[in-house]
Amino acid sequence: GAVVSQHPSWVICKSGTSVKIECRSLDFQATTMFWYRQFPKQSLMLMATSNEGSKATYEQGVEKDKFLINHASLTLSTLTVTSAHPEDSSFYICSAQDRETSGGAQTQYFGPGTRLLVL
Amino acid sequence: DAKTTQPTSMDCAEGRAANLPCNHSTISGNEYVYWYRQIHSQGPQYIIHGLKNNETNEMASLIITEDRKSSTLILPHATLRDTAVYYCIVMIYNQGGKLIFGQGTELSVKP
Repeated sequence: GAVVSQHPSWVICKSGTSVKIECRSLDFQATTMFWYRQFPKQSLMLMATSNEGSKATYEQGVEKDKFLINHASLTLSTLTVTSAHPEDSSFYICSAQDRETSGGAQTQYFGPGTRLLVL
Repeated sequence: DAKTTQPTSMDCAEGRAANLPCNHSTISGNEYVYWYRQIHSQGPQYIIHGLKNNETNEMASLIITEDRKSSTLILPHATLRDTAVYYCIVMIYNQGGKLIFGQGTELSVKP
């Protein structure tokens, strides 16, 4: 149980194009999903919190117009990197918070990640 | 926000127990301690979490001190596949369950 998928796993695109990454919770409903970015040899950095049916909340320093997040259903969130540039090349990881909480704990389960390379 | 402190790296012999420490001296009473691990080029994997009591599951055991200021993750019989970066994180309860990752401990299991 608690499986999260991401698609695509790899994407290479030209500078200036937009890239959409999908995150799905396969066997549970996720009211909240999170998006992270990870550069080589660094830890995960939280980009935004996405709640189903409402606008995402972005962390300080993350451009909301560049990283568009949509959370249209309890099992799907998408991240669109608009007008991608080489500095956006990174490992993007999503997580989904299991709606069935237990005593206040809200465990997040992570997807396998999407590696983006912008040429 | 409760911050955690972990050793940068540790080694463990295959088949032996791996004990990974974590300090979280500013943790609040209703904040959980979570452990995840990340194997190279993959998304983090949930291991275990706890509030006050010690916890055990099929992957590991979590020992939390009585004052909750520190905890230890125990992998009872480490294998080469347990080589990964292990993150100890305090879940920010009143901020929608956000997880803020530190640098973690790089565990190397050696034959």
